[in-house]
Amino acid sequence: GAVVSQHPSWVICKSGTSVKIECRSLDFQATTMFWYRQFPKQSLMLMATSNEGSKATYEQGVEKDKFLINHASLTLSTLTVTSAHPEDSSFYICSAKRSGTGIEKLFFGSGTQLSVL
Amino acid sequence: SQKIEQNSEALNIQEGKTATLTCNYTNYSPAYLQWYRQDPGRGPVFLLLIRENEKEKRKERLKVTFDTTLKQSLFHITASQPADSATYLCALGGGDSSYKLIFGSGTRLLVRP
Repeated sequence: GAVVSQHPSWVICKSGTSVKIECRSLDFQATTMFWYRQFPKQSLMLMATSNEGSKATYEQGVEKDKFLINHASLTLSTLTVTSAHPEDSSFYICSAKRSGTGIEKLFFGSGTQLSVL
Repeated sequence: SQKIEQNSEALNIQEGKTATLTCNYTNYSPAYLQWYRQDPGRGPVFLLLIRENEKEKRKERLKVTFDTTLKQSLFHITASQPADSATYLCALGGGDSSYKLIFGSGTRLLVRP
């Protein structure tokens, strides 16, 4: 089955530092990846859609300069939380859509718990 | 704006019984609806997809119904087991011809042995 690897699974950082989260599709190509954040007992909120070789599309209210997304290859997308603050503490999850498929299920990474001190 | 409602209260049932979870939505016309399972601290895992022109879908002990008139989906787990304990999320997609999914906040299922 399709596997999406997300790294790191958890990170603790000081306020003001930047954190990079990687999302890799291990056994398939993904032209489109999605980044979500999830607060405890709440739904996954889509932050942005990442397309290989082009700029990410951000959802309303998500600061593109704060959450930098790079999708440089068909198997890797990265999310960088710049100048992180305690309010950025959350569970970040990526998902990938297998290339060449239509409306299909998404394959999710295992998530990254970010704690900003 | 689009809204998806899932029962926020946990569903607590006895092993062997059928669990039924509800997903209601408003202000949206999805092309398909999906159900995912999420365990604590983990990403969601896909379970079933049902399209707007389908009434019912089954997979092993799982059954999903989709009523586009009522704007509601029901998710059933028959012969439930303690291992089925998790949070179940419904997600809508395709309403705006994109691949974006809109998720409900999930319902936690607890199956007592």
